[in-house]
Amino acid sequence: DTGVSQDPRHKITKRGQNVTFRCDPISEHNRLYWYRQTLGQGPEFLTYFQNEAQLEKSRLLSDRFSAERPKGSFSTLEIQRTEQGDSAMYLCASSPGQGVSYEQYFGPGTRLTVT
Amino acid sequence: RKEVEQDPGPFNVPEGATVAFNCTYSNSASQSFFWYRQDCRKEPKLLMSVYSSGNEDGRFTAQLNRASQYISLLIRDSKLSDSATYLCVVNKIQGAQKLVFGQGTRLTINP
Repeated sequence: DTGVSQDPRHKITKRGQNVTFRCDPISEHNRLYWYRQTLGQGPEFLTYFQNEAQLEKSRLLSDRFSAERPKGSFSTLEIQRTEQGDSAMYLCASSPGQGVSYEQYFGPGTRLTVT
Repeated sequence: RKEVEQDPGPFNVPEGATVAFNCTYSNSASQSFFWYRQDCRKEPKLLMSVYSSGNEDGRFTAQLNRASQYISLLIRDSKLSDSATYLCVVNKIQGAQKLVFGQGTRLTINP
């Protein structure tokens, strides 16, 4: 499968614990994005990388959240001291970053439940 | 005001019917426009890009009106497999590369 992959697919954690998610983009896609989606809403942008550089962060990304893409390939999203409000689907997307339309392709997501 | 607004529905239509969704966006700097489809508990999947001249892909037709900041999606001869949530999406090329999603419109096609 050459699509975007995410791991784990599901994560249940207790409030206050730290969690880390991984995203592997489509190979040769130099742009990688993280979004968060809650029930009944569309995905909301969190952050964006071009190669290894993090170029934009949403105000939704509090100081408990950190994302990295150290070698410009896979990315990790860490949430420290999780809160119940962090429960959501965390989606990763990638795009080639070329052409006019900048279409993005999504992975299956990591569903986080904070108890 | 939300940056991208859609009627959340739900829309329940019989198989074979024609159904249309509308969406408005607030930022006139938006440069690219898309419709994504999302099945229950799955990731969004690109359905089609939307071009100024309008575009068609089989039973699906998308239209863009930049003056009114309005996007539409028309589905003809609807199939049971068209049941999903349809997300209206805009992208600002200058500066932010993020996609801005509407809330989504839930469609159910009934046999």
